[in-house]
Amino acid sequence: EPEVTQTPSHQVTQMGQEVILRCVPISNHLYFYWYRQILGQKVEFLVSFYNNEISEKSEIFDDQFSVERPDGSNFTLKIRSTKLEDSAMYFCASMEFAVEPQHFGDGTRLSIL
Amino acid sequence: RKEVEQDPGPFNVPEGATVAFNCTYSNSASQSFFWYRQDCRKEPKLLMSVYSSGNEDGRFTAQLNRASQYISLLIRDSKLSDSATYLCVVSLQGGKLIFGQGTELSVKP
Repeated sequence: EPEVTQTPSHQVTQMGQEVILRCVPISNHLYFYWYRQILGQKVEFLVSFYNNEISEKSEIFDDQFSVERPDGSNFTLKIRSTKLEDSAMYFCASMEFAVEPQHFGDGTRLSIL
Repeated sequence: RKEVEQDPGPFNVPEGATVAFNCTYSNSASQSFFWYRQDCRKEPKLLMSVYSSGNEDGRFTAQLNRASQYISLLIRDSKLSDSATYLCVVSLQGGKLIFGQGTELSVKP
């Protein structure tokens, strides 16, 4: 079964540094998402991406965050200047059609020191 | 009011028990409804979509009541492997998913 893959599985970064989280969605999928989950809390929506542009973003997704689909396969989340509170699991998800269930990658654990 | 609210849990049940999870959502524009399960610090995995007519997948039965904005999940004959956190999830236009905080289930021998 096709999978969403994310790299790295764990990223440790100093506060203030830039970090790029990478995702390879399922190949025929058109809709892409990033979510995050702070330890002990619920999964939260960050941003949705369709047709090479952001469809919607949450209040969490401020100017420090950006997303890109640099080629036909990768979907990246960049945090420009990380803060301690950015420490979380970050999940990428994709889906083929707008009302289908989303398929999640196994996440990147981001630890900010 | 929380967008998606679930039973706080945790639920501790013996093997073979029947367990029911309840969930309510606040946004009447919610379009699709799902139950996901999440094992410790892993990604959410789709358990089943939920339809107004109700749907069943083996030991799992899900129900949706749009009028009361209520979703349920019933697990019959619970197994040790059912131990996980169960996430009630609704989607809005554009596919944005709104998650409940999850209900933890622990099935004991």
